[in-house]
Amino acid sequence: GAVVSQHPSRVICKSGTSVKIECRSLDFQATTMFWYRQFPKKSLMLMATSNEGSKATYEQGVEKDKFLINHASLTLSTLTVTSAHPEDSSFYICSAPGGPSGELFFGEGSRLTVL
Amino acid sequence: AQKITQTQPGMFVQEKEAVTLDCTYDTSDPSYGLFWYKQPSSGEMIFLIYQGSYDQQNATEGRYSLNFQKARKSANLVISASQLGDSAMYFCAMRDGVYGSARQLTFGSGTQLTVLP
Repeated sequence: GAVVSQHPSRVICKSGTSVKIECRSLDFQATTMFWYRQFPKKSLMLMATSNEGSKATYEQGVEKDKFLINHASLTLSTLTVTSAHPEDSSFYICSAPGGPSGELFFGEGSRLTVL
Repeated sequence: AQKITQTQPGMFVQEKEAVTLDCTYDTSDPSYGLFWYKQPSSGEMIFLIYQGSYDQQNATEGRYSLNFQKARKSANLVISASQLGDSAMYFCAMRDGVYGSARQLTFGSGTQLTVLP
């Protein structure tokens, strides 16, 4: 299947700093990528849809100024958590549609801990 | 609006036995796709199986099969001959539209499956 790579897998930062997470489609082009957030033992909640060459579409309740998304190329989308606070600690996982049935292929996920 | 319900927070199964994970859904769209994903403790999401709303036959993929009952709006995952490596969280998900398009998935709350030796 298609491969999506996400980096870093784990990051610890101090409160008030910004953290960038990269999501790459390695063997296919993705004009659209999706960013999800997952709390421990909970479901995946869609944060935003990343569109190559245009602005991201954010879900209701997601602060677009805090979670900056940039889809600079057909293989790269980035999520920047700005001025991170402890409540932003979570598992962030990106995905891209890459299969014949439109299934999403997911990156490995990034576990963010804000101290 | 779409809604996916998984009513089993946790399930246990003996190794080599079969297990069914429940999933019900609700949508007003006649065209939709249903997916199952496996999430081991490492966190990665592994695609298992897909069923389109117009598919006449239940989807199968190796030891995985999807028991699709359209009238009941259920899409249960059946895992046959369980293995210890099947222990993981399992998510049911739905997408509007049957065929591949760049649309997000809506996920259920998940079922934690534990396979006992």
